[in-house]
Amino acid sequence: DAKTTQPPSMDCAEGRAANLPCNHSTISGNEYVYWYRQIHSQGPQYIIHGLKNNETNEMASLIITEDRKSSTLILPHATLRDTAVYYCIVRVDRGSTLGRLYFGRGTQLTVWP
Amino acid sequence: EAGVAQSPRYKIIEKRQSVAFWCNPISGHATLYWYQQILGQGPKLLIQFQNNGVVDDSQLPKDRFSAERLKGVDSTLKIQPAKLEDSAVYLCASRRLAGNSYNEQFFGPGTRLTVL
Repeated sequence: DAKTTQPPSMDCAEGRAANLPCNHSTISGNEYVYWYRQIHSQGPQYIIHGLKNNETNEMASLIITEDRKSSTLILPHATLRDTAVYYCIVRVDRGSTLGRLYFGRGTQLTVWP
Repeated sequence: EAGVAQSPRYKIIEKRQSVAFWCNPISGHATLYWYQQILGQGPKLLIQFQNNGVVDDSQLPKDRFSAERLKGVDSTLKIQPAKLEDSAVYLCASRRLAGNSYNEQFFGPGTRLTVL
């Protein structure tokens, strides 16, 4: 199973861009990178996913390197409400594990005023 | 659309007692997951259902944990008897399509279990 490595914590000033890195050097060619976040006392929330190309939605942008061994989640204008644990996940899609998400410890992002 | 509902939100029991958690997924979602999240860790998958059948329960401690999804809608997760190390948040998630479809999982708020 592809594993991911993330820094345990980061902080960011409100209004600035938050760039959260993730390494996934063992990712396979057809495995997607997913990002979820978990605000305190809530369930995880989907943010974005991608395969090879960079992706953008209303919440964030996802930059995937050409060799797909790492990616960066970008929150362009962080707010206090973005304080959460961010999980970078490589989704396993083989046999009975179709769609399964393997969560690591994630990155605790703290946005300060 | 309504989200994934779970109850109760909090439960405190003594070790060796039994406890059950309930999950109502988003309407029409074929796949349902139960996760265990110990404090300071990411969620760990316990069991995955597709409609009313078990797809994978390899991480479920079957000597004490059981789960069912009758009629392919609601699901219950039971622990009997509970141990101290079962203290955790139990999360339920659902996903609209089964299989290799790139649609996300939606999570409920979780049930926080404390075993004394």
